[in-house]
Amino acid sequence: QVQLQESGPGLVKPSGTLSLTCDVSGVSISSPNWWTWVRQAPGKGLEWIGEVHHTEITNYKASLKSRVTISVDKSKNQFSLSLTSVTAADTALYFCARDSVTEAGWWYFDVWGPGTLVAVSS
Amino acid sequence: SSELTQDPTVSVSLGQTVRITCQGAGLRTYSASWYQQKPRQAPLLVIYGRNIRPSGIPDRFSGSRSGDTASLTITGAQAEDEADYYCCSRDTAGFQVFGGGTKLTVL
Repeated sequence: QVQLQESGPGLVKPSGTLSLTCDVSGVSISSPNWWTWVRQAPGKGLEWIGEVHHTEITNYKASLKSRVTISVDKSKNQFSLSLTSVTAADTALYFCARDSVTEAGWWYFDVWGPGTLVAVSS
Repeated sequence: SSELTQDPTVSVSLGQTVRITCQGAGLRTYSASWYQQKPRQAPLLVIYGRNIRPSGIPDRFSGSRSGDTASLTITGAQAEDEADYYCCSRDTAGFQVFGGGTKLTVL
């Protein structure tokens, strides 16, 4: 059974860096999937942040690209999110998810972590 | 602003059929996936591709796509279907994007 679990500080100071890790169990992170970060601000909808492949190829949301880095650590079977220069607008529930694809090229997020709340406040 | 547009709220009477729509230019090229989210829970995949339901998802959930619009239909809505529903696809640049979400109320 594939499971994902986010971890990291629950509080980050404004202008600081938000760093989260997603531990992957039940499957190798080197499997043919992409690994994704999604966030949800309080009372708001889901926002795709970006994704990483085990080959270290990344894709980021255009509006966040200058501040985001997503990386993979194959030795620990985990992937990470770094978001710099945070403001209160970055306060959100952060989810990691597995992005799978069928042979027909249909993409979907089939496994999600429970989410971790990060607040940006002094 | 989201490149996938959903109605913010939809309601349905218990046992009736409801359709939740998602509109965006990227849907002319890419399929949509649909997620159900209940309070304080992670999203749950309910439909992807050409109307594929993951294991454990009731067959009252179905999906379709025509032109720039994807739809999630619940045939015979149950009380436990009350939740937020999000579509996801790709924008015209090929990157993933979520719709703004639809809050479904079962009356």
